[in-house]
Amino acid sequence: QKEVEQNSGPLSVPEGAIASLNCTYSDRGSQSFFWYRQYSGKSPELIMSIYSNGDKEDGRFTAQLNKASQYVSLLIRDSQPSDSATYLCAVNLKFSGGYNKLIFGAGTRLAVHP
Amino acid sequence: DADVTQTPRNRITKTGKRIMLECSQTKGHDRMYWYRQDPGLGLRLIYYSFDVKDINKGEISDGYSVSRQAQAKFSLSLESAIPNQTALYFCATSSTGGGGTQYFGPGTRLTVL
Repeated sequence: QKEVEQNSGPLSVPEGAIASLNCTYSDRGSQSFFWYRQYSGKSPELIMSIYSNGDKEDGRFTAQLNKASQYVSLLIRDSQPSDSATYLCAVNLKFSGGYNKLIFGAGTRLAVHP
Repeated sequence: DADVTQTPRNRITKTGKRIMLECSQTKGHDRMYWYRQDPGLGLRLIYYSFDVKDINKGEISDGYSVSRQAQAKFSLSLESAIPNQTALYFCATSSTGGGGTQYFGPGTRLTVL
């Protein structure tokens, strides 16, 4: 089982709709979770971080975390063509000695069509 | 000015050549990372460094080496490049106590012929 799993997509939504991106993770000890957006050929850009169960909203973006189900999602309201990109879910895993590493999913490609 | 910079941005080289990719940051972060990205495989960690004297292998370190010359500089070397090292390479930084958030450089596209 992969440590962080995402549906590769493409997820196709019409402009103005809500896009829902999902991610599951395997390590119950994970404490922090991130969503990055990556345009083709560009570097990942942080759009949301979430640390506690529940919802966190930032503009058109809402991150949802359910640690019991080991599930984190990203909702994009009023989707725009400029939101078309690959969205990477990342989970922070802690190791002994205070070390931690981000483990990335392979990403979900979102396509917003006019 | 960019907080995390990478040089070169693009490089084409031949099999067997030694290549160095460089990363510099002005964010004042103590932790630095090197990833490679291949289509459909996501980001895979090559090496990471939590301070100047700390270097750790990631999941795919074979064929690579690194040097942390200063807190702000972290370089990645391919001692003898091979075609399956053709990929997009990213440097990233984070700070201790920063919740794990990593910030990425613009990437280096490396092609090994």
